Amino acid sequence: KAGVTQTPRYLIKTRGQQVTLSCSPISGHRSVSWYQQTPGQGLQFLFEYFSETQRNKGNFPGRFSGRQFSNSRSEMNVSTLELGDSALYLCASSLQGGEETQYFGPGTRLLVL
Amino acid sequence: AQSVSQHNHHVILSEAASLELGCNYSYGGTVNLFWYVQYPGQHLQLLLKYFSGDPLVKGIKGFEAEFIKSKFSFNLRKPSVQWSDTAEYFCAVIPMFSGGYNKLIFGAGTRLAVHP
Repeated sequence: KAGVTQTPRYLIKTRGQQVTLSCSPISGHRSVSWYQQTPGQGLQFLFEYFSETQRNKGNFPGRFSGRQFSNSRSEMNVSTLELGDSALYLCASSLQGGEETQYFGPGTRLLVL
Repeated sequence: AQSVSQHNHHVILSEAASLELGCNYSYGGTVNLFWYVQYPGQHLQLLLKYFSGDPLVKGIKGFEAEFIKSKFSFNLRKPSVQWSDTAEYFCAVIPMFSGGYNKLIFGAGTRLAVHP
């Protein structure tokens, strides 16, 4: 099976812009989670989607949003980018969520100038 | 505040040395526990996990971890490390009581450098 794929892999944006990141889960997986990884804050949970519904949300401002499509692919959007949004954004998928292994993608590295 | 703590941020070992990385969490109730590894330039990979049953779990590449409920700990061990174990190691918890689903709470990570 192909692994979790994320596009784009690298992105450079300027403050105030918005960005959309995409994640394709492993075939058959219905749960997609997003994480932000920074040197200062480490790995932090953003949100989780299952069957097109957001089931769980981390402590991030409303500028961070996401959605999931009927084919389980997911997108996350960050509006009005700030310098502090520079990070590696990781997507993980699992079958249903809960007592299952999450498989991570390679991430999208976002640099905000 | 509820959290996951990894005691060592940086560990340097020689090949064949034994490894133990500490992890403590502060959540009560049922938790699912994980160790993930991030090799240089690669994505996060699962080393091992504990959901229930035998508190000593074995993972890939000779790693094992022991869940000690009374100590809220899930320490990672390997009897003899190799240069290829150089990586960053993350302990993570899903607190099931909060409807945690896939909300992994990560520790800060431990960077392991193994010298030949």
